[in-house]
Amino acid sequence: GDSVTQMEGPVTLSEEAFLTINCTYTATGYPSLFWYVQYPGEGLQLLLKATKADDKGSNKGFEATYRKETTSFHLEKGSVQVSDSAVYFCALSASQAGTALIFGKGTTLSVSS
Amino acid sequence: KAGVTQTPRYLIKTRGQQVTLSCSPISGHRSVSWYQQTPGQGLQFLFEYFSETQRNKGNFPGRFSGRQFSNSRSEMNVSTLELGDSALYLCASSPRTGYEQYFGPGTRLTVT
Repeated sequence: GDSVTQMEGPVTLSEEAFLTINCTYTATGYPSLFWYVQYPGEGLQLLLKATKADDKGSNKGFEATYRKETTSFHLEKGSVQVSDSAVYFCALSASQAGTALIFGKGTTLSVSS
Repeated sequence: KAGVTQTPRYLIKTRGQQVTLSCSPISGHRSVSWYQQTPGQGLQFLFEYFSETQRNKGNFPGRFSGRQFSNSRSEMNVSTLELGDSALYLCASSPRTGYEQYFGPGTRLTVT
C-alpha cells in the first residue's frame, strides 16, 4: 500500500543553520504531497504542498520539490529560527483515495539560540 | 475566516463508556475527515465525510463511527472505550474531497 518514510528525529540545530528533513514515498498513481507542522499542544498546520512532479512548494522560507524519479519530497530551509522548533510531518494524498492523508512518523526539530 | 473548531478539547472517560466528539469545519468546506494521533501509531486516517455521506474509511474497528450534518458539522463516536483509544483526535476540513486539508486543534481523549 501507499506509505511515507521520513527521517527519524530529533533534529537539533543552532539558529541560522540549514535544515533538511528527508521524505520519500511509495504510491501508485500520482499523489499530492504535503508538509504539515505541529507545534506543542496544537493541531497540524499545512506548511506547503505540491500536486505534480517537479512542482516546488514554498512557504515561510521552507521549500520542497516533488521528485517523481526519486519519489522524494525533502523539506529545506536556509536559515532556521528558534520559532521553527516543532514536529514536521510529510504526507501524501493518493488521488484515488479521496482526501485521506497518509502521514510519515514525524520529525522533531529543536532549534537553539 | 474562522478555522476548524473541535469540542471538547479535553476529555477523560472510563473503559467501557462511549464518547462523542464534535467538529465544525471552516465555513464553506463540505469535506470533513477524522484522524487519530498516538505516540505509537502516529497519525492514522479514520474516515471522511462529504455532503453527509461517508466517502472513505480507514482500518479501524466498527466501534468508531461518525456522521455529518447538513451544515457540514461532523461528529465521531467511539463506543465501548478501550485504554488504547487514548489519543489526540484531529478533525480536518477541505473545500471538497481531494483538496488540501485544514486541521483543528484536536480533542485529547484519555481513557482510564
